[in-house]
Amino acid sequence: TQLLEQSPQFLSIQEGENLTVYCNSSSVFSSLQWYRQEPGEGPVLLVTVVTGGEVKKLKRLTFQFGDARKDSSLHITAAQTGDTGLYLCAGGSGGYQKVTFGIGTKLQVIP
Amino acid sequence: DSGVTQTPKHLITATGQRVTLRCSPRSGDLSVYWYQQSLDQGLQFLIQYYNGEERAKGNILERFSAQQFPDLHSELNLSSLELGDSALYFCASSPTGLFFGYTFGSGTRLTVV
Repeated sequence: TQLLEQSPQFLSIQEGENLTVYCNSSSVFSSLQWYRQEPGEGPVLLVTVVTGGEVKKLKRLTFQFGDARKDSSLHITAAQTGDTGLYLCAGGSGGYQKVTFGIGTKLQVIP
Repeated sequence: DSGVTQTPKHLITATGQRVTLRCSPRSGDLSVYWYQQSLDQGLQFLIQYYNGEERAKGNILERFSAQQFPDLHSELNLSSLELGDSALYFCASSPTGLFFGYTFGSGTRLTVV
């Protein structure tokens, strides 16, 4: 079973601060995705990374896929209250195979 | 609106009962996935269908079953319900069945009392 560990599990920060959350595994993934989920809603895809060492930016969010394709990080610059939510990473190995989700990082941005 | 429709949004039922959750995938998506989300276990993959055929199975209990119909909508049947089955059940869809990003519905919150 492929496991994805996310850290920290909970994070509470002030608006304007920077933060980084991590997603780690002992398994190699062909691609990795980050989702944000708000209470009462389904996860929404933020980004997909497929190449080891890849860095993608989405406004204030920077995603990095580890060189060995076993880990990833999400960095948020100048957090805003709208960034509050559960951040999930998910790793896949391609083909018609089940995808593994991490348990998530619950982020609260305080005004 | 993500384009993936799940009904009902909330469901309260008693132990031992059977329920059916329904999912209509985003237009053009051939693959449907079912996930269970609980507070302590996160998102757990249950089952995947692609164009009517079962493609992959996760930690789905024998009391649970699913199918995908010719119009591509899918149903998840949960029977002999137990208190521990209380959770959020999500359906997601994708165009090809490959791992290139899922579109999730807003879920069905099942409460077993």
